[in-house]
Amino acid sequence: QQQVKQSPQSLIVQKGGISIINCAYENTAFDYFPWYQQFPGKGPALLIAIRPDVSEKKEGRFTISFNKSAKQFSLHIMDSQPGDSATYFCAATYNQAGTALIFGKGTTLSVSS
Amino acid sequence: ETGVTQSPTHLIKTRGQQVTLRCSSQSGHNTVSWYQQALGQGPQFIFQYYREEENGRGNFPPRFSGLQFPNYSSELNVNALELDDSALYLCASSLGEGPQHFGDGTRLSIL
Repeated sequence: QQQVKQSPQSLIVQKGGISIINCAYENTAFDYFPWYQQFPGKGPALLIAIRPDVSEKKEGRFTISFNKSAKQFSLHIMDSQPGDSATYFCAATYNQAGTALIFGKGTTLSVSS
Repeated sequence: ETGVTQSPTHLIKTRGQQVTLRCSSQSGHNTVSWYQQALGQGPQFIFQYYREEENGRGNFPPRFSGLQFPNYSSELNVNALELDDSALYLCASSLGEGPQHFGDGTRLSIL
């Protein structure tokens, strides 16, 4: 049973544009929602994370928007750059950030220059 | 600060063999989690070790086993390898309620 659904599967954005990736979850016990960025041949790197007591978190060009009632959260990448081209994974877990992460299937982002 | 390191980087095995993958956790981290990432998929949780004890397990058969050592490093052992075990195996370390940080993984190919 897939507990975190991620869309779209792939995304092409022009340089300077906004990239938006969406995730939906089922388990209302989830209380920690990170986003990871993965480049080919590398492991996932933590990008930004949010807990459900806030609706938005911003770090530089990256913003997470969180809608607890809809059980959805999204990643916005402002002013997208070719260096942002990578695969992005949303994830969720409960109790604490150090427990088992449930990942979405990933979104491959290509930013054209 | 040293990040999570995994060895070997790549490994080729044949069906039925056994394999051991190794992970050194990030400095100061006491919890290690292992994930399997099939091609084009998100990582799937295998199990987690805390204080040398298994502290949670995903939907993987018993032929997947692990160890954590007093220095918090860890091993993943897989017996009776199957073709479907071909994947990237990722190790992540964390401290307490802190976030998980991943290594670059071991690419395992089963022939």
